This record gives sequence, structure tokens and C-alpha cells, in this order.
Amino acid sequence: GAGVSQSPSNKVTEKGKDVELRCDPISGHTALYWYRQSLGQGLEFLIYFQGNSAPDKSGLPSDRFSAERTGGSVSTLTIQRTQQEDSAVYLCASSLASSSNTGELFFGEGSRLTVL
Amino acid sequence: DAKTTQPTSMDCAEGRAANLPCNHSTISGNEYVYWYRQIHSQGPQYIIHGLKNNETNEMASLIITEDRKSSTLILPHATLRDTAVYYCIVRRHFGNEKLTFGTGTRLTIIP
Repeated sequence: GAGVSQSPSNKVTEKGKDVELRCDPISGHTALYWYRQSLGQGLEFLIYFQGNSAPDKSGLPSDRFSAERTGGSVSTLTIQRTQQEDSAVYLCASSLASSSNTGELFFGEGSRLTVL
Repeated sequence: DAKTTQPTSMDCAEGRAANLPCNHSTISGNEYVYWYRQIHSQGPQYIIHGLKNNETNEMASLIITEDRKSSTLILPHATLRDTAVYYCIVRRHFGNEKLTFGTGTRLTIIP
């Protein structure tokens, strides 16, 4: 597809279980971002990948959160031992970070995680 | 990225121009002003960006003050579908760093 694709769109899990959220960025986009948005709140930055550079992990809230980006394309956000406060919409975005475009971020529709 | 300040909420009558202000007094010379909006239950959507000149596209106009310390996003003829949270962000044009969203302005278009 032409846009950023995220899966699953909805995930309900039990406290203590691990979850994986997937993001397929727009083909050719070198930058990939993960954000989360709790109900009624703003976007909280989690992690940022840019090409082959080391990711900016400064927004990850705890060591239960990790993310990887394989082959410079698909990214997986993993949350281990989920807690109820992890319930949120997890948004992925990608962009083509170069001098010849707007630097616009394209967002997916998000993955809604509910931890019971 | 420089910090931005926006009003928490605003109302605008349908059909009128919606003017959304943003203060970015610590903006540096190589930082652009970007606007995004988030309609309920959707991912944020890019609207417009600019450096120092006023910009216009099919969605909106962006007016940046001469000192670049503030800007205004203008939706010329607001419709009910423009009800959303609007985020003003400053960043380098193709900066290799994270993009930080503030709390934005919740714009409600009144029928």
C-alpha cells in the first residue's frame, strides 16, 4: 500500500503478557518513529530510527519497551510484561529525511493496546 | 527542537476563518515551523510548514512574524471536518532527530 501500515489495529492482552506491534513504513522512507497516545493525551515520543544510525531511544518509558527495525524497513515495538498503564494507541510514522522534500511525517492509523 | 506554546482550545464558527496562534520564541535560524492536525481516532496529518515567508497550500495558510518568534495557522473557511487538535512544531527541515509534539490546540468548529 501507499501509506504507513500498522498491525494489529487492536490488541487486548492480559497484564504480564508480552506484545509485539508492527509497522510497515512507506517504501524508501529512511526515518521511522514510534509514539504512543494515552486516552485524551498528546503524543508521547518513544523511539526514532534514521537510516543506519543508532536509534534515539530517549523516549522509551522503561526497559520493558524495545524496538527494532530490520533491513531499514519494517519495525517491531515490543512491550514485555505489560502493565495496565501501557494501554494506549501506539502510532508509527515514517518520513524521507532529505533536503529535497518537506520532511513531512506520514502516520499510520495506530495500534490500540488494551491491557486488562 | 525549540519549545512551542499554543492555546489549549479554541472555537470557530463554521464558514469563518480559524486563526490558530503559536509562540516559538526560542526558534533558531535553521528551524522550520510545521503544523499537523489530529482528527479524532486518526493519526496526525501534515498541514503546512514554513521558514520565514508566508506559505499557502490547499489546506491552509501560514503566517510567520518577521522575528519568527510566532506564527498563525489560518484555515480560511472552516468546516465541521476541521474539528481536530492542531499541533505547532519547530524542527530542522530534514533534521535527523526526534519530532516532539506538544499538547496542541483543540479546535472546535461550531455549526
